[in-house]
Amino acid sequence: KQEVTQIPAALSVPEGENLVLNCSFTDSAIYNLQWFRQDPGKGLTSLLLIQSSQREQTSGRLNASLDKSSGRSTLYIAASQPGDSATYLCAVTPSSNTGKLIFGQGTTLQVKP
Amino acid sequence: DADVTQTPRNRITKTGKRIMLECSQTKGHDRMYWYRQDPGLGLRLIYYSFDVKDINKGEISDGYSVSRQAQAKFSLSLESAIPNQTALYFCATSEDVSNQPQHFGDGTRLSIL
Repeated sequence: KQEVTQIPAALSVPEGENLVLNCSFTDSAIYNLQWFRQDPGKGLTSLLLIQSSQREQTSGRLNASLDKSSGRSTLYIAASQPGDSATYLCAVTPSSNTGKLIFGQGTTLQVKP
Repeated sequence: DADVTQTPRNRITKTGKRIMLECSQTKGHDRMYWYRQDPGLGLRLIYYSFDVKDINKGEISDGYSVSRQAQAKFSLSLESAIPNQTALYFCATSEDVSNQPQHFGDGTRLSIL
């Protein structure tokens, strides 16, 4: 059974720092991996999607990497800002590609001014 | 207007009541999903539908039922609500094409007393 874990559960950093959020998964047979952002009282917003054949994806100050063989992904946020404060979730689609997403528990990030 | 709309946004009800949560989308996507989010457990898939005639159980379907009334509408019902169904419920949609992100509504916060 696929399990997705995110460590740490919470992280607090001063504004301007570069930071890395970690995601690990137990079964390397995945179709893709997605990173989402969740703001309080809101739904999830897709940030980056990495296909199983890709190593990384970039969008602005965000860079997500994928090492499928070791079951790991990282989300790198450069020059963090208070507006980056949110919960970040990673999710994998199993290789059967039935559209199901299996989520980690999330990392709650606070960026202090 | 939001692409994925969930109603109601908040609901408090009593044990044993029948409850329906509604989801409508303007994105024209064939695929729709219902998730629940509990603190510390991430999101878990309840049901998903790849088109009007295709409905599938997810990870935690017991105690729930769904109806896909049209391409744009996907409802989740709790036939006889119980307190451990208290959670945040999300509807999501995606294109019927591989490697496309899911798009989420803002959620329904459901409390069962």
